[in-house]
Amino acid sequence: GENVEQHPSTLSVQEGDSAVIKCTYSDSASNYFPWYKQELGKRPQLIIDIRSNVGEKKDQRIAVTLNKTAKHFSLHITETQPEDSAVYFCAASQGSYIPTFGRGTSLIVHP
Amino acid sequence: GAGVSQTPSNKVTEKGKYVELRCDPISGHTALYWYRQSLGQGPEFLIYFQGTGAADDSGLPNDRFFAVRPEGSVSTLKIQRTERGDSAVYLCASSPTRGASDEQFFGPGTRLTVL
Repeated sequence: GENVEQHPSTLSVQEGDSAVIKCTYSDSASNYFPWYKQELGKRPQLIIDIRSNVGEKKDQRIAVTLNKTAKHFSLHITETQPEDSAVYFCAASQGSYIPTFGRGTSLIVHP
Repeated sequence: GAGVSQTPSNKVTEKGKYVELRCDPISGHTALYWYRQSLGQGPEFLIYFQGTGAADDSGLPNDRFFAVRPEGSVSTLKIQRTERGDSAVYLCASSPTRGASDEQFFGPGTRLTVL
């Protein structure tokens, strides 16, 4: 089955800096890669996703890049703000199969 | 509109007891998923429904776990003879279309504590 590795487990940045979270996946058939943000005690919420037919997608301060050859994808957050502090999860799935989630990255943005 | 809801929000039970956790998906969503999330981990897949039928139950850890969705809407996750290792947050998610490569809308979860 699919295996998703996520790094780092914890990321601490100063407000205004950029943050990058990286994930690798094992199954080359995976073609859908969502990112979820989970604030403390709250539900995971989709913030951005990318499909295998594109290499990059951007939405305001967040962007995701995908390298299918290397089987890795990354989340980039620019101009971080304290409200970006949360746990971020990547996931990978193929077609109608169930997504496999990474273990999460705890992002701490210091004001 | 209303999102995915789950009840109860918290459940404390004793080892060996039976529990039921309920999920109300977004109206009209055909796909429904159950996950288990332990502290410091990502959601771990348990079971996936497409309509009334369990399309994939390969994530259920053992036969103490069972889930139903009799009318294709509300789902109940049932755990028999609970063990301390079952303690976790149980998340439900729904999706509007067939297939898992679409956004999943998560509920707030049920925190299960087995004493």
